[in-house]
Amino acid sequence: AQSVSQHNHHVILSEAASLELGCNYSYGGTVNLFWYVQYPGQHLQLLLKYFSGDPLVKGIKGFEAEFIKSKFSFNLRKPSVQWSDTAEYFCAVNGDAGNMLTFGGGTRLMVKP
Amino acid sequence: DVKVTQSSRYLVKRTGEKVFLECVQDMDHENMFWYRQDPGLGLRLIYFSYDVKMKEKGDIPEGYSVSREKKERFSLILESASTNQTSMYLCASSLVRQDGYTFGSGTRLTVV
Repeated sequence: AQSVSQHNHHVILSEAASLELGCNYSYGGTVNLFWYVQYPGQHLQLLLKYFSGDPLVKGIKGFEAEFIKSKFSFNLRKPSVQWSDTAEYFCAVNGDAGNMLTFGGGTRLMVKP
Repeated sequence: DVKVTQSSRYLVKRTGEKVFLECVQDMDHENMFWYRQDPGLGLRLIYFSYDVKMKEKGDIPEGYSVSREKKERFSLILESASTNQTSMYLCASSLVRQDGYTFGSGTRLTVV
C-alpha cells in the first residue's frame, strides 16, 4: 500500500520568506506525484505534478517541487511567499496500481503580512 | 474547464437518517472518487469508480455505499448517519492517472 507523510502540520512565515514543505511517500514502483492547494473556503486545486522526465517541476504561482527518487521525497518550494499563499497544501501520490490518489495529512501555511 | 459539482455545500442531518450526497462531472471522465477530509488526517478515500455500475472500496468504506448509474454521476450514501461521519466530503474525477483529479467544492456534513 502507498502512503504519504507531510511532516510539517503548521507553518507560519513572514512575507518574502522562502518556503519548503516536506513530502515523503512510500511506494516501491513507478509513481505520479502531485501537490494540491486549498485556499480558505475554496476547492482543492492542482499546483503541480510529476510523472516523468525532469525531476524539478514548476507549477502555478511560482511554486516548484523536486522529485528525489532515492529519498522518496517530493518537497514543495517557493523562493518568496506572499500573504495570498496562505492556504492548506496537500501532497499526493498514485502508484502504478491504479488511478486513486493517496494524500498526506496536509500542511497549513499562514503568511503574515 | 472540467467541472465537478456537488449538490449541497452544507448539510445538517440527524443520527440514523439516510443521507445522499450527489456529485456530477461534465467532462466524460471515467474515474470518480469520494473522499472525506478531516483536520490533521488529510483526505481519505471512501469509494471510487472506474465505470458505470462499477465501484471499489477505498480505505474507509464502513458505513458508506455508492451508486453510479450514469457516467457523469456518482452518489455517496450514508445508510444510517452517525456523529462520527460529521466531516467535509469531497468528490473528484479524473481521465487518466497522470492528470490528477478535479475536485468539487465539497459538502460539509454535520450529523447531530
